[in-house]
Amino acid sequence: SAVISQKPSRDICQRGTSLTIQCQVDSQVTMMFWYRQQPGQSLTLIATANQGSEATYESGFVIDKFPISRPNLTFSTLTVSNMSPEDSSIYLCSARGQADTQYFGPGTRLTVL
Amino acid sequence: GQQVMQIPQYQHVQEGEDFTTYCNSSTTLSNIQWYKQRPGGHPVFLIQLVKSGEVKKQKRLTFQFGEAKKNSSLHITATQTTDVGTYFCADLVSGNTGKLIFGQGTTLQVKP
Repeated sequence: SAVISQKPSRDICQRGTSLTIQCQVDSQVTMMFWYRQQPGQSLTLIATANQGSEATYESGFVIDKFPISRPNLTFSTLTVSNMSPEDSSIYLCSARGQADTQYFGPGTRLTVL
Repeated sequence: GQQVMQIPQYQHVQEGEDFTTYCNSSTTLSNIQWYKQRPGGHPVFLIQLVKSGEVKKQKRLTFQFGEAKKNSSLHITATQTTDVGTYFCADLVSGNTGKLIFGQGTTLQVKP
């Protein structure tokens, strides 16, 4: 199994600013993913973070708003740009494990004022 | 697009009662995974079902995959307060993408 850490665990940000969330895996993994989870809701996939190439975004999510980096097989960042209160959510990263299961990080709780 | 429907949304039970959550799809499910998310926590993988009609057990938890691979269920026998949380089913998107489509989740509350 993989152990995943995320930083920061929570943050309160002002409208119009940007926040970069870091995700670190304790072993090399082929695929990493970024999700958004509104309180009491399910997980919505934002994008697949590809090592060495541009991320693959899901419908409704764009690179200008959620730029993603994946410099190596153990690390990825997600930036939430030009934030508005609607971006308040929990952001989770995950890593692909054996047989396509996923290991999740503890999440970053973002509040935008 | 691929959708996974999960019911019920919420379930309150008395400790010791049984609990079941259902996962349904209008299309064939390729690979159903179940995750548990404790309040304030992150999703944790429980089990994976791949074969038609498959049944797997983990102590008091029983997971089933329908014969037609269009539905799945998670049944907890004699619930305990430690079972509290949200249970999600997720279907694996085909094509070696590694992507999962999550159901809406069922939140279980257990009254001691």
